[in-house]
Amino acid sequence: DAGITQSPRYKITETGRQVTLMCHQTWSHSYMFWYRQDLGHGLRLIYYSAAADITDKGEVPDGYVVSRSKTENFPLTLESATRSQTSVYFCASRFTGGDYGYTFGSGTRLTVV
Amino acid sequence: TQLLEQSPQFLSIQEGENLTVYCNSSSVFSSLQWYRQEPGEGPVLLVTVVTGGEVKKLKRLTFQFGDARKDSSLHITAAQPGDTGLYLCAASGGSNYKLTFGKGTLLTVNP
Repeated sequence: DAGITQSPRYKITETGRQVTLMCHQTWSHSYMFWYRQDLGHGLRLIYYSAAADITDKGEVPDGYVVSRSKTENFPLTLESATRSQTSVYFCASRFTGGDYGYTFGSGTRLTVV
Repeated sequence: TQLLEQSPQFLSIQEGENLTVYCNSSSVFSSLQWYRQEPGEGPVLLVTVVTGGEVKKLKRLTFQFGDARKDSSLHITAAQPGDTGLYLCAASGGSNYKLTFGKGTLLTVNP
């Protein structure tokens, strides 16, 4: 299916475990983004990528790692999950140039116990 | 880091009423976007405003960008239960298309 797909939709993990959230888009958008959404904080940028093999930190990158070996995939890894990383994570993408908006995935609800 | 202040934070109204929500900042933006988010889903783009003083209409929704490009408003006429959701404004002031989001206005329209 065309669009932007996140997996899994729901994940429960234990403190200290590594967990990877997947994001796949079918439009060949150059730019991809990871946000977390928390009550009281809204959406905050974790990492973004301008193209394959080009990534950069956002507002709250600590404890997260990203990679982008292919244009269509942008996985987010929590190296050693902590309870403060319990959140809803959204992946987004957009075209380069113009005043286009983001297209968001449906999110992954992650609970760290 | 730019801050976008949205007000009100919560709004509960009856079907058929009109409402306005606001997005304000001390920074000037090249463009501003409005998104709507429904429970369990990601935000969906409603509109992008670019020019100071610009007004855009999307059916019963009217979006305005302030003359100084520091603020924006969203007006909904004759609200319907289907308008229920979290309304987010977002702006980009620099390169790499990074968006800063406001915390949103949670709108509930009761039948």
